[in-house]
Amino acid sequence: AQSVTQPDIHITVSEGASLELRCNYSYGATPYLFWYVQSPGQGLQLLLKYFSGDTLVQGIKGFEAEFKRSQSSFNLRKPSVHWSDAAEYFCAVGARAGNNRKLIWGLGTSLAVNP
Amino acid sequence: DVKVTQSSRYLVKRTGEKVFLECVQDMDHENMFWYRQDPGLGLRLIYFSYDVKMKEKGDIPEGYSVSREKKERFSLILESASTNQTSMYLCASSGWDENSPLHFGNGTRLTVT
Repeated sequence: AQSVTQPDIHITVSEGASLELRCNYSYGATPYLFWYVQSPGQGLQLLLKYFSGDTLVQGIKGFEAEFKRSQSSFNLRKPSVHWSDAAEYFCAVGARAGNNRKLIWGLGTSLAVNP
Repeated sequence: DVKVTQSSRYLVKRTGEKVFLECVQDMDHENMFWYRQDPGLGLRLIYFSYDVKMKEKGDIPEGYSVSREKKERFSLILESASTNQTSMYLCASSGWDENSPLHFGNGTRLTVT
């Protein structure tokens, strides 16, 4: 069955520390991969996406993610976290075949940032 | 920038009422989606539409219907609201290209009492 797992429900880091949010997927083929962020009271915003090519992708707000086919992972990283990064982060995968109409979503990781 | 606008941020309705949630996008996107978001359950797809007057059921369509009479507008309808439909509702749109990511509105928090 297709699925996306974000193993960490909640993470707390100190401002300035590095961050890694984990995402593992189970899928029949190499999917499209996305990370979205949701600030409190807001909708979701695309951070970055992987379709093909370089397995290390850069996104907005200083985030990056690395696709590792052998581990079926797409972990999100940031070298130095800012207080404004406190939010909910969602990993999603989508089918390559046809129109990308249905994504499979992880349950999210809530990030808290200590001053 | 793509703008997806949901008509209400907060709604309070009574059990049994018919409820309309409206969503408008300004980027001529073919695809539009309605999700609900609940703590511990993540995002669940209710319905999506890939063209005017076209719709497909998502994972949890029961108790909901949708309408897409114009390309830019996608409405979610709760025919008879129930308390278990209290939730955050998120609308999104995307282009036809399979690379096209979703663009979300800010959500409507619906409370059914």
